[in-house]
Amino acid sequence: DIQMTQSPSTLSASVGDRVTITCRASQSINTWLAWYQQKPGKAPRLLIYEASSLESGVPSRFSGSASGTEFTLTISSLQPDDFATYYCQQYHSYSLTFGGGTKVEI
Amino acid sequence: EVQLVESGGGLVQPGESLRLSCAASGFTFSDHYMDWVRQAPGKGLEWVGRSRNKGNGYTTEYAASVRGRFTVSRDVSKNSLFLQMSSLKTEDTAVYYCARGPYCNSNFCPGPFDYWGQGILVTVFS
Repeated sequence: DIQMTQSPSTLSASVGDRVTITCRASQSINTWLAWYQQKPGKAPRLLIYEASSLESGVPSRFSGSASGTEFTLTISSLQPDDFATYYCQQYHSYSLTFGGGTKVEI
Repeated sequence: EVQLVESGGGLVQPGESLRLSCAASGFTFSDHYMDWVRQAPGKGLEWVGRSRNKGNGYTTEYAASVRGRFTVSRDVSKNSLFLQMSSLKTEDTAVYYCARGPYCNSNFCPGPFDYWGQGILVTVFS
C-alpha cells in the first residue's frame, strides 16, 4: 500500500495566521491527492482534489500544491471556522489511503 | 441535492455479522464509484472498500484489514449501497461512512470522495 505521511500531527495557530500542512507519499501518485477537513462529530468535507484544484464552494484561502511526492495544503489566513482536523488522501492506487491527520487548534 | 444516508449500525459481539446500508439520492447511482470509509474512536480515516460503477461491472476492492470478511454490494433498483460485515473483531469498532467516489466513463477513474453520509456507529464488544 502507498503510505501517506502527514505532518505535523497537531498545529497551534491564531486567527489570521498562514498555516501549512504537508503530506508525503511513499511513492509516486502523480497529482492524485485530495485534502479533507473534518470537524468533531461530522463527516469529512472535500477541500482540494488533484493536488491543487479547489472544490466548489470552498473559500479561496485554501490552496494546495505538489512537488514530486510532497504535497502541501495552505490556509492563507486562518479563520475561526478553520479550526478542525485535516486529512490528505491518495487515490492513485486501487488501495486508497489517508494520511494520519493534522489537528489545527488555537 | 446529493444525499447519502447510512443505517444498520449497532452493538454486536466478536464473531458476529452486521449489514450496513447507504441510501443514495440526487445523482445517477450507477455512474459513480461508491465507497465505505471508517473512523475508529479518536482515530483517523481508513478506507474500507469500493464498488466500481456499472461500466466497470460493479467490481469491488477492499482494504487488507477487511478483505475476506467484508463485502460491498449494491441494489441499483433501490439506489442502495451495502457493507456486509462478518467475523467482526473489536478493532472493527468505528463510525462507518458511505462516500461517493468519482463519476466514471472509462476503466481508470481516479477521483476523491466528494459527498459523504453522516456516518453510522458500529460497536463490537466482548
